[in-house]
Amino acid sequence: DQQVKQNSPSLSVQEGRISILNCDYTNSMFDYFLWYKKYPAEGPTFLISISSIKDKNEDGRFTVFLNKSAKHLSLHIVPSQPGDSAVYFCAASDSGSARQLTFGSGTQLTVLP
Amino acid sequence: GAVVSQHPSRVICKSGTSVKIECRSLDFQATTMFWYRQFPKQSLMLMATSNEGSKATYEQGVEKDKFLINHASLTLSTLTVTSAHPEDSSFYICSARDPGPTQYFGPGTRLTVL
Repeated sequence: DQQVKQNSPSLSVQEGRISILNCDYTNSMFDYFLWYKKYPAEGPTFLISISSIKDKNEDGRFTVFLNKSAKHLSLHIVPSQPGDSAVYFCAASDSGSARQLTFGSGTQLTVLP
Repeated sequence: GAVVSQHPSRVICKSGTSVKIECRSLDFQATTMFWYRQFPKQSLMLMATSNEGSKATYEQGVEKDKFLINHASLTLSTLTVTSAHPEDSSFYICSARDPGPTQYFGPGTRLTVL
């Protein structure tokens, strides 16, 4: 049973436009959410996170929105750049001592020049 | 952001030998480190959680005698793949958790067992 789902395996966006990546979760115990960017044969790079007490967090071109009632979060990238092309993973953790992450399956973002 | 290093980045070994992979948090102390394995086209699979000074906690299905984890200091965890076999060939990634809930990942180690 997937507790974190990214239903879109791929997304193509024109350079300069907005990229919106979506993520849904089922475990109501999750209280911290993260987005990572990953290139092939590299480890994930942390992008942005949000605590469940907030509904929005912004860092430069990246904004994460959290809708707790819908158990849905999204990552907005504005403006999109060709260098943003990568696989994006959302992840969630609960308040357990280890803070293990549960990952979604990833969305391949392609930003077209 | 926080930096995590891994060494080596690539290793090729013969079947039956052991391989050690190091994971270091360079600019922060990590009481908890994690080891993942990535299969092609799949998300990361958590292998074990490593806490400084105590035994690692392994996920179901991961052989603790085959994948030895040591977390001797707040900045270093090691994964030793013992008696490696071709099916152990994979991309191994570590992460380190800062005092908060964010995990920072190393660049990964590509293991090829001949």
